[in-house]
Amino acid sequence: KQEVTQIPAALSVPEGENLVLNCSFTDSAIYNLQWFRQDPGKGLTSLLLIQSSQREQTSGRLNASLDKSSGRSTLYIAASQPGDSATYLCDDTGGFKTIFGAGTRLFVKA
Amino acid sequence: DVKVTQSSRYLVKRTGEKVFLECVQDMDHENMFWYRQDPGLGLRLIYFSYDVKMKEKGDIPEGYSVSREKKERFSLILESASTNQTSMYLCASQQVSTGELFFGEGSRLTVL
Repeated sequence: KQEVTQIPAALSVPEGENLVLNCSFTDSAIYNLQWFRQDPGKGLTSLLLIQSSQREQTSGRLNASLDKSSGRSTLYIAASQPGDSATYLCDDTGGFKTIFGAGTRLFVKA
Repeated sequence: DVKVTQSSRYLVKRTGEKVFLECVQDMDHENMFWYRQDPGLGLRLIYFSYDVKMKEKGDIPEGYSVSREKKERFSLILESASTNQTSMYLCASQQVSTGELFFGEGSRLTVL
């Protein structure tokens, strides 16, 4: 059964730093990989989707990559801002089943 | 933009009450999901549906049922609410061609 691990579980950085969030899968047969952010008490907001034929996606200051051979994905956030403070989750969204990591809680200090 | 709307953001119910959580999506997606999210346990799949009147159990279906009479609407039903069902409930719809998930704002249910 696919399991997803997100490292680190929590991260506190000063504003302006570049940072990397990691997502690892026990089964490298990942279909599509989706990154979300979740603000406290809210639903999940989709950030980036890497489809099975792709290796990375970029949106503004965010870049996500997927290495299927190692079963890993990284989310790179450039020039972090206090507004980036949230929990970030990754998801192996294949077929009818979706497998989520526990998330990385990010706090960006002004 | 895809919109997934959950009818109630906050609900307070009493033990034994029947509870309906409604979810509507406007993008004609076939797949819809209900999750609950609890601190330390992450997102857990309760039920999903891949077409009208079709449903499949997720990882924690006990104590829940679902209804999908129309493609755009997926309802979660707690037949007899219990305190251990106090949680944040999240609905999602999925674009089948890409697998991309779209979530609603969540419904926080408190059972007293």
